[in-house]
Amino acid sequence: GESVGLHLPTLSVQEGDNSIINCAYSNSASDYFIWYKQESGKGPQFIIDIRSNMDKRQGQRVTVLLNKTVKHLSLQIAATQPGDSAVYFCADQVGYSTLTFGKGTMLLVSP
Amino acid sequence: GAGVSQSPSNKVTEKGKDVELRCDPISGHTALYWYRQSLGQGLEFLIYFQGNSAPDKSGLPSDRFSAERTGGSVSTLTIQRTQQEDSAVYLCASSFFVRVGPTGANVLTFGAGSRLTVL
Repeated sequence: GESVGLHLPTLSVQEGDNSIINCAYSNSASDYFIWYKQESGKGPQFIIDIRSNMDKRQGQRVTVLLNKTVKHLSLQIAATQPGDSAVYFCADQVGYSTLTFGKGTMLLVSP
Repeated sequence: GAGVSQSPSNKVTEKGKDVELRCDPISGHTALYWYRQSLGQGLEFLIYFQGNSAPDKSGLPSDRFSAERTGGSVSTLTIQRTQQEDSAVYLCASSFFVRVGPTGANVLTFGAGSRLTVL
């Protein structure tokens, strides 16, 4: 896939707030999207994924929204907790190609 | 094992030396990936192994970089004549390649990475 980028490099929120992390992708052929969370000193961990035939998918406290018209992806985290502080990466995939990752957004949650 | 294991976790080397980074994927996972993560940057794809197919080396930045996967399991990433710009965290991931519908949804499980510092 082509490059995947993020609008905000750092997002600071208060504990209990809802967080929204945004991601723009450029390849209209991308048909699979995924979010990863990376805590300091650890490898990225899978959060949630979505296919291009869907516009919304919910997990536990997380929701991914996909807007194919404007090639935009977002990750919503409900009732953000200090343990959610991490760098969040979006990635896209075209068919059976390898994932292409964006640069990441750092989420800072204040107690 | 229970997860993807990488070693060493930290490696400091002098410019010009060769280094080897090891990855033990999750047992049964047929796909193995190497990514590089520079400070404050995203994940840069390096190389991908899938089963017995020829590896996808399209992300390797130069011929100083090579990787092999022995017996469809353990992989070694080798960097020859290291340069300071090679300093980064090298992440390995594996997956059980799942084909669902028209696209290959492919959830990768990452290791903790090997931090390489070239002085």
